[in-house]
Amino acid sequence: QKEVEQDPGPLSVPEGAIVSLNCTYSNSAFQYFMWYRQYSRKGPELLMYTYSSGNKEDGRFTAQVDKSSKYISLFIRDSQPSDSATYLCAMTRNKLIFGAGTRLAVHP
Amino acid sequence: DSGVTQTPKHLITATGQRVTLRCSPRSGDLSVYWYQQSLDQGLQFLIQYYNGEERAKGNILERFSAQQFPDLHSELNLSSLELGDSALYFCASSASGRLHNEQFFGPGTRLTVL
Repeated sequence: QKEVEQDPGPLSVPEGAIVSLNCTYSNSAFQYFMWYRQYSRKGPELLMYTYSSGNKEDGRFTAQVDKSSKYISLFIRDSQPSDSATYLCAMTRNKLIFGAGTRLAVHP
Repeated sequence: DSGVTQTPKHLITATGQRVTLRCSPRSGDLSVYWYQQSLDQGLQFLIQYYNGEERAKGNILERFSAQQFPDLHSELNLSSLELGDSALYFCASSASGRLHNEQFFGPGTRLTVL
């Protein structure tokens, strides 16, 4: 079993929809939880990170961490075609582990 | 443009060979990270250097090694190459040494092992 599980998708939604992306993990030692966005043929870019449990909001993006369930989520409100990319969750304590990434397509 | 440069852009070589990938971090960044991205394994963290010292280690094979030089550029050496080493290798840099802080990724080096 992988330490971090993420559904690879693809996920296809209409413009304006609320998107929910999720990861589960097995190592309770993880402390920081990150979401990266990767456009095709580019390197990943950090969207946001959270420490321990709770919510964090940045514009149209909200990250949630539920350490008791070992479950993290990224919500995208009012999704745009420019949000079409692969979204990778990642988590760390002394090592950095990425999920497989979920491909998201937002169609006009 | 992230400010991180990687050379070469593409590399084609044969099994058993050795190659060196080079990375120049953004100006002022002390930390350099190396990643491998392939279709079957996804994005894997290999190793991090901070100001010339190894800081964190991920799933780096013994056939692979890296170093960071006094001018802060870094090299990733891959030896005894196998078909399965074909992948996109990213370098990233950051100002801090913390794994959760923002890293700026280079354009990657695509390695093909034939």
